[in-house]
Amino acid sequence: NAGVTQTPKFRVLKTGQSMTLLCAQDMNHEYMYWYRQDPGMGLRLIHYSVGEGTTAKGEVPDGYNVSRLKKQNFLLGLESAAPSQTSVYFCASRAQGAVGNQPQHFGDGTRLSIL
Amino acid sequence: GQQLNQSPQSMFIQEGEDVSMNCTSSSIFNTWLWYKQDPGEGPVLLIALYKAGELTSNGRLTAQFGITRKDSFLNISASIPSDVGIYFCAGQRGYSTLTFGKGTMLLVSP
Repeated sequence: NAGVTQTPKFRVLKTGQSMTLLCAQDMNHEYMYWYRQDPGMGLRLIHYSVGEGTTAKGEVPDGYNVSRLKKQNFLLGLESAAPSQTSVYFCASRAQGAVGNQPQHFGDGTRLSIL
Repeated sequence: GQQLNQSPQSMFIQEGEDVSMNCTSSSIFNTWLWYKQDPGEGPVLLIALYKAGELTSNGRLTAQFGITRKDSFLNISASIPSDVGIYFCAGQRGYSTLTFGKGTMLLVSP
């Protein structure tokens, strides 16, 4: 059981380039999330989805877009990468129900550097 | 946005010592959670708290949901080297999203 898989694990981009981060979960979870983690800032929610075909903005959505065309996949796009988007990106998913009984399961992260 | 103030930012202790860390907020949360993140990995849930005043243990870890619903505490007893990592508190108000604290980095000297 792979859980939450993030692709790629590392990437270096130039300013202005675009790319898509892929998150895949094999647990049939309804909810999926994208976070970014910066030193001293903890985890900040970018976008999330409560089901296939739905997305919503989190705390820091600017400069990112997402899509949830299939229940198992949640894509995070950077249309025009900026150095301020250098970060470690985490995807998480969870089943419906109380958040403690159905905790968020995290992937191992994607380390993105933008030059 | 909502803010969680987590302290201390970091701790460097000796093996066998007890550890305490806490999280406070200006807003009420319905659920408090504590996560641990090992280097190079994503956070893993340690303890979930649902009711004000609740005290819950998981092995050497004990966490409490503050009576005002605006704070939570995590204690680790008799620390060991594998306790090293970053500990995050998280609070939930809505039904689907969490707000995370900035983390407490714990280093344990053998």
